[in-house]
Amino acid sequence: DAKTTQPTSMDCAEGRAANLPCNHSTISGNEYVYWYRQIHSQGPQYIIHGLKNNETNEMASLIITEDRKSSTLILPHATLRDTAVYYCIVRRGGSNYKLTFGKGTLLTVNP
Amino acid sequence: GAVVSQHPSRVICKSGTSVKIECRSLDFQATTMFWYRQFPKQSLMLMATSNEGSKATYEQGVEKDKFLINHASLTLSTLTVTSAHPEDSSFYICSPFGDRYNEQFFGPGTRLTVL
Repeated sequence: DAKTTQPTSMDCAEGRAANLPCNHSTISGNEYVYWYRQIHSQGPQYIIHGLKNNETNEMASLIITEDRKSSTLILPHATLRDTAVYYCIVRRGGSNYKLTFGKGTLLTVNP
Repeated sequence: GAVVSQHPSRVICKSGTSVKIECRSLDFQATTMFWYRQFPKQSLMLMATSNEGSKATYEQGVEKDKFLINHASLTLSTLTVTSAHPEDSSFYICSPFGDRYNEQFFGPGTRLTVL
């Protein structure tokens, strides 16, 4: 599976949009981009995933560049409860569903 | 999303004892179960993968005789830490996967402290 690079930490003001970048320059054609987050002392929570089109759900939007080498997770109106470590993971489709976690980005939402 | 439970949520035990952690998928059948552990200030590390009715496949460096995984049913998997030592103190998280959802969901985790 392709490796991802994320900033170690980011800050965001409450109520503003949080834009979390992820580089995955070695992604291959059948690999999806997944985003999870982990609030302190809890299991990871699925946020969103995509292959090449932009995706939106009730939690966030995922913007994938045309060359698919990078993506951005957008939390449109960050709240204090969005403070967490956010993981960008690239994973193959098909029968291998293993998720390999990197170090992620610690997003701190400030009041 | 999927409903996944783990029991217990936290456990403290003495060195040398065995601890069993249960993971249940409450609203779907999990044909595959992933077990992860997470040491303080580190990321999740995959320990093993099991398919229902089959032996688990362990990641490099994980002792299969120490971390016993049972996945005998489609809704329940257990991880037993045998002869636990302080270095086994960690956050253990299960992740069942089945054909109901395309996404992979995670349990709430079990905090193990070995004294």
